[in-house]
Amino acid sequence: EVQLVESGGGLVQPGGSLRLSCAASGFTFNTYWMHWVRQAPGKGLVWVSRINSDGSSTNYADSVKGRFTISRDNAKNTVYLQMNSLRAEDTAVYYCGRDLVGATLDWWGQGTLVTVSS
Amino acid sequence: EIVMTQSPATLSVSPGERATLSCRASQSVSSNLAWYQRKPGQAPRLLMYLASVRATAIPARFSGSGSGTEFTLTISSLQSEDFAIYYCQQYNNWPNTFGQGTKLEIK
Repeated sequence: EVQLVESGGGLVQPGGSLRLSCAASGFTFNTYWMHWVRQAPGKGLVWVSRINSDGSSTNYADSVKGRFTISRDNAKNTVYLQMNSLRAEDTAVYYCGRDLVGATLDWWGQGTLVTVSS
Repeated sequence: EIVMTQSPATLSVSPGERATLSCRASQSVSSNLAWYQRKPGQAPRLLMYLASVRATAIPARFSGSGSGTEFTLTISSLQSEDFAIYYCQQYNNWPNTFGQGTKLEIK
């Protein structure tokens, strides 16, 4: 069975950094694009970033460009989101997702909460 | 970026009845439109992609239609497990964007 398990969330001060991880199992990880999506409290779902199957191509939402970096380790079946210069508005639950086709996500993790506050 | 607008915000329907949810894009997204179901405490579940293709294991009572800027998700005979929040998502242009959701509640 496909499983995606996020970790690495927590409380961080503004300007700080966190690295989120998403461990995948149950499928051939190195053949799928992967995505990060977030949902702030009381708000809607917002795309954050995506990475292609071999890690050679990435995209970011304008709101995180230059601050966040997505990467993957296909040997470890894990996708990462390095988040630097965090702001209060980055507070959200962060989900990783597997790309079925064209950025539709057919499997999602349960999410990890990131809180940016002093 | 493309703005996705869903209507209504809340839809009250009785079990066994039909529910029709709408999603409008601020510009054409061709047929690159997906629908997700979200229940409390759970991750979103992909229902439809390419506007009208059911994802794996999605019951036939769910159907999608539309292209361009106007899309519809229809649930033909509501079951108790269908009451949830539904989101549309366009993936024609980056950044992919979601609608704000329609809450389907029991009448």
